Amino acid sequence: AQSVTQLDSQVPVFEEAPVELRCNYSSSVSVYLFWYVQYPNQGLQLLLKYLSGSTLVESINGFEAEFNKSQTSFHLRKPSVHISDTAEYFCAVSHTGFQKLVFGTGTRLLVSP
Amino acid sequence: NAGVTQTPKFQVLKTGQSMTLQCAQDMNHEYMSWYRQDPGMGLRLIHYSVGAGITDQGEVPNGYNVSRSTTEDFPLRLLSAAPSQTSVYFCATSPGRAPFVETQYFGPGTRLLVL
Repeated sequence: AQSVTQLDSQVPVFEEAPVELRCNYSSSVSVYLFWYVQYPNQGLQLLLKYLSGSTLVESINGFEAEFNKSQTSFHLRKPSVHISDTAEYFCAVSHTGFQKLVFGTGTRLLVSP
Repeated sequence: NAGVTQTPKFQVLKTGQSMTLQCAQDMNHEYMSWYRQDPGMGLRLIHYSVGAGITDQGEVPNGYNVSRSTTEDFPLRLLSAAPSQTSVYFCATSPGRAPFVETQYFGPGTRLLVL
């Protein structure tokens, strides 16, 4: 069975500082990995995904994540955060070839001025 | 193109009452699913469907029923509401065609309170 661990429930950071949100997964088979973002009182939106190929994936708003198979990790990073990045971030995994997603418990990113 | 719509946005029920949460999509997506979101627990899959007439259980199916008579609609039924079903419910869809794993599109959610 798959599982996803997001160790940090909340990450406070000052505006323009770098941030890393951690995600580790466990699976005995090949996986696809995702980061979703949820802004207050909204549904989830895809931020970025790893399916195959380059292990470094990027989003249009400056986030990036690196798939590390040996460490079974898919940490999310941004070199300089904005107030508008305040949201909850969910890491998710699925088996290759299946559509069911298993989500982590989420990390709330709090960006203050 | 409305995407994924969910109704109602908010609902308060008394223990034992039944209700149906509606989910509709206009993207002709084959795959539809229901999640519940609870504090500190992330999103958990309740039921899913890979196409009209086909449904299956997810991680937490007890107390919920689904059916998929059309591609567009995937209602979630609470047969006898319990306080433990107080949660935010999200419907999600994806195209469902090979290679089978695509972005899932989430609705805005339904907040349910069971007293």
